[in-house]
Amino acid sequence: QSALTQPASVSGSPGQSITISCTGTNSDVGNYEYVSWYQQHPGEAPKVIIYDVNKRPSGVSYRFSGSKSGNTASLTISGLQAEDEADYYCSSYTIIDTEIFGTGTQVTVL
Amino acid sequence: EVQLLESGGGLVQPGGSLRLSCAASGFRFRYTAMTWVRQAPGKGLEWLSAIGGTGDDNRKPYADAVKGRFLISRDNSQNMVYLQINNLRVEDTAVYYCAKARGYVSPEFWGQGTLVTVSS
Repeated sequence: QSALTQPASVSGSPGQSITISCTGTNSDVGNYEYVSWYQQHPGEAPKVIIYDVNKRPSGVSYRFSGSKSGNTASLTISGLQAEDEADYYCSSYTIIDTEIFGTGTQVTVL
Repeated sequence: EVQLLESGGGLVQPGGSLRLSCAASGFRFRYTAMTWVRQAPGKGLEWLSAIGGTGDDNRKPYADAVKGRFLISRDNSQNMVYLQINNLRVEDTAVYYCAKARGYVSPEFWGQGTLVTVSS
C-alpha cells in the first residue's frame, strides 16, 4: 500500500497560516474518521498533535487544527511561530486493519 | 506519566536476527494496544505492526513490507512489547519506535527509539 501523499515542503512567515494536505484513497482517509497528524523536530520522536481528523490532545496549541474532505485531510497551522518549524506527518487507519503514514512535509518559518 | 523505553538495537550483519524490546509504564498496559514504527535515516515514518491488549492480543496486523519476517509479541506480566526481526536486510536500517496506540493501530505516545544498523 502506497504512502499518503503530502507536499514535500511548505513555508510561511511568522503570524501567517499554512495548510498541509494529505491525500489518500477510499481505502484509508476517505473511509474513516481516523486521521492523525504528528510533529517531529530534528532528533526527536514524533508527537501527535491531531487525532480523529480534528481532535487536539491535551496540551497541544489551539493553533493546530485538522479537517477532512473526501480522500484528503488537511492540517492548518495558524499564527505560525518559529517553534512550528518541524516535519509533519499524517496517518490514517486503513481498510486492511493497518495504519499508513504520509510522505511527510517539512515546514519552514521564513 | 507514560514512559516507553526501547532497547535491543545495534549493528547486525545482513541475514541476522534481532529482538527489540520496549518497556512500558504509566498506563494500563495490559489493556492497551501497542505499535511499532520505524524511520530510516533521513526518511519518513513507516508503520510496521500492532498488537492488541488483553482479549485482543491475537490481533496482530503487519505492514505488507515486513509480513513474514517481523513478529510482534507482548508480555503483560512484565509490561513489555517485542519486535522480532529475522533475515535482516540493509534496508531495515532505521530507528525503531514503539508507541502506545490510540484505538488499535494508531500511534499515540512514542518512545525515543532504538537504532538498528544492518551492515556487513
